[in-house]
Amino acid sequence: DAGITQSPRHKVTETGTPVTLRCHQTENHRYMYWYRQDPGHGLRLIHYSYGVKDTDKGEVSDGYSVSRSKTEDFLLTLESATSSQTSVYFCAIREGASLVEQYFGPGTRLTVT
Amino acid sequence: GNSVTQMEGPVTLSEEAFLTINCTYTATGYPSLFWYVQYPGEGLQLLLKATKADDKGSNKGFEATYRKETTSFHLEKGSVQVSDSAVYFCALSEYTGGFKTIFGAGTRLFVKA
Repeated sequence: DAGITQSPRHKVTETGTPVTLRCHQTENHRYMYWYRQDPGHGLRLIHYSYGVKDTDKGEVSDGYSVSRSKTEDFLLTLESATSSQTSVYFCAIREGASLVEQYFGPGTRLTVT
Repeated sequence: GNSVTQMEGPVTLSEEAFLTINCTYTATGYPSLFWYVQYPGEGLQLLLKATKADDKGSNKGFEATYRKETTSFHLEKGSVQVSDSAVYFCALSEYTGGFKTIFGAGTRLFVKA
């Protein structure tokens, strides 16, 4: 258990509204990640962070922004939600002696109507 | 760029059958390879890993060998149980200016009693 929680776990929102998802970790991990999971695509990286205020884009970052003002929290914001952003969102941290292992939170199921 | 290809599912087996899920990869360097498992309603869990060629990862009766010559990392288990029903993801991780993980699309396994 890497001490990762996500909130909310489920959310239904309307097209055009802003949405913020929160990832919280309790073990001072430096690297944090946001992925989305869609059928047939596996997991795709949205954004990641390698420290407080240090973030970078992943392969599907359009329409998303992130912030990390504290080590323990990594926020994902959909500025104006669209139906194509209906998905399951997973937060992950990286740990291990060589930092190759990732551990995932329980996920947030987001539906945009 | 790096990529991971795994066999499409679903795979349906009877209890105690032999399991193979094929995974091949393309990478520019020397990645670490992983299998993750996802049970319904949960996040991904690291099942096993191998960090260099000819390494064998193993856990809970599952095994996979890092084959550089065939760029493969096939998952095997000698006798599956109903509780092994889940989605299995092959993945690679490589440091390319940042730690990133590339996931396959996932293979759903159903095991019948």
